[in-house]
Amino acid sequence: QPQLQESGPGLVKPSETLSLRCTVSGDSSSSPYYWVWIRQPPGKGLEWIGTIYYSGSIYYNPSLKSRLTISRDTSNNQFSLKMTSVTAADTAVYYCARGISVVTSLWGQGTLVIVSS
Amino acid sequence: EIVLTQSPATLSVSPGERATLYCRASQSVSINVAWYQQKPGQAPRLVIYDVATRATGIPARFSGSGSGTEFTLTISSLQSEDFAVYYCQQYNDWPPVTFGGGSKVEIK
Repeated sequence: QPQLQESGPGLVKPSETLSLRCTVSGDSSSSPYYWVWIRQPPGKGLEWIGTIYYSGSIYYNPSLKSRLTISRDTSNNQFSLKMTSVTAADTAVYYCARGISVVTSLWGQGTLVIVSS
Repeated sequence: EIVLTQSPATLSVSPGERATLYCRASQSVSINVAWYQQKPGQAPRLVIYDVATRATGIPARFSGSGSGTEFTLTISSLQSEDFAVYYCQQYNDWPPVTFGGGSKVEIK
């Protein structure tokens, strides 16, 4: 059964770079899916961050684009998120997810990232 | 960016009753709307996509309808496991994919 698992530091200092990985098990990160990052600030709603398609095409939320890099590491069956110049507003649970389109039917459990000094 | 407005913010319903949630888009999104259910401490779960198609494993008491800018999610007879927050999502015009602010279905 395919599963996704987010990993990365739970605490990042303001102005630094947030780096997360999503490890894919029971499937391949090069399978023909959209591999997606979504976040949710504590007590708030969902925000779509961006996606990497299996072909390698990458799409970012324009509001975050200047700070984002999404990439994949097929040899390790992972895809990753880097967000630069973080502030307290970037504190959130970060989810990785998979879908045959940007509609995501498989989600990781999420990882809380707190931005604080 | 397409803005989705969900209503009501909170719906109090007794088990066995019907619940109807609404999602309005700031411009037409055709039928490219999905609904997700989220319980406390859990990741969202896909319920409906393409307005009215139930995701795998979703019971028939969940139904979706609408087109253009007005959409509804109906739960015909609420079960205890259905009390959660529901989010609509549009994927007609992206990036960005956008979500509504959520509607909480709570026990009356």
